[in-house]
Amino acid sequence: EVQLLESGGGLIQPGGSLRLSCAASGFTFNNFSMAWVRQPPGTGLEWVSVISIHGTNTYYADSVKGRFTISRDNSKNTLSLRMDSLRVEDTAVYYCAKLFGLRYFDHWGQGILVTVSS
Amino acid sequence: EIVMTQSPATLSVSPGERATLSCRASQSVWSKLAWYQQKVGQAPRLLMFGASTRATGIPARFSGSGSGTEFTLTIDRLQSEDSAIYYCQQYNNWPLTFGQGIRVEIK
Repeated sequence: EVQLLESGGGLIQPGGSLRLSCAASGFTFNNFSMAWVRQPPGTGLEWVSVISIHGTNTYYADSVKGRFTISRDNSKNTLSLRMDSLRVEDTAVYYCAKLFGLRYFDHWGQGILVTVSS
Repeated sequence: EIVMTQSPATLSVSPGERATLSCRASQSVWSKLAWYQQKVGQAPRLLMFGASTRATGIPARFSGSGSGTEFTLTIDRLQSEDSAIYYCQQYNNWPLTFGQGIRVEIK
């Protein structure tokens, strides 16, 4: 059974930094691209970042480009998202998701809340 | 960026009836469309990919159709457990984009 477990969320002041982690199990982690998708309170889904199988290629939404950095450790089956220069509008539940190809999200973690507020 | 527009915003359907959800793309995405179901307090769950292929474990009551710019998700014999928000997502072009969601309520 695929399991994705996020950690590292919480309350952070604007301009601060936070690192999210996602522990993956139940599938061959280094065979799949991975992603972060977020959902601001009461609104819809927004793709944030994607990383290819070996971490060679990374993709970012314009809203986070230059501030967020996605990475993965295939030896530890772990996906990470380093978030710098956080803004109030980054407040959201962040989901770790497994990608099928670079296409759709076939498994999701339970999500973790990041609140950016002074 | 391809804009995905879903309608209606809210759908109220009686148990046992059919719900028809629409998703429109601002340009052709061929059949590269996925649907997700998100229940209150839960993560999204993949329902459909390739516009019409059900994901593993999804009941046959759920069906998808369409190609190009117009897509439909149909839920037959609606059950109380189908109460959720449904999102479409295109994966033909980067960035990957989602519709704003359709809330399905059970009367």
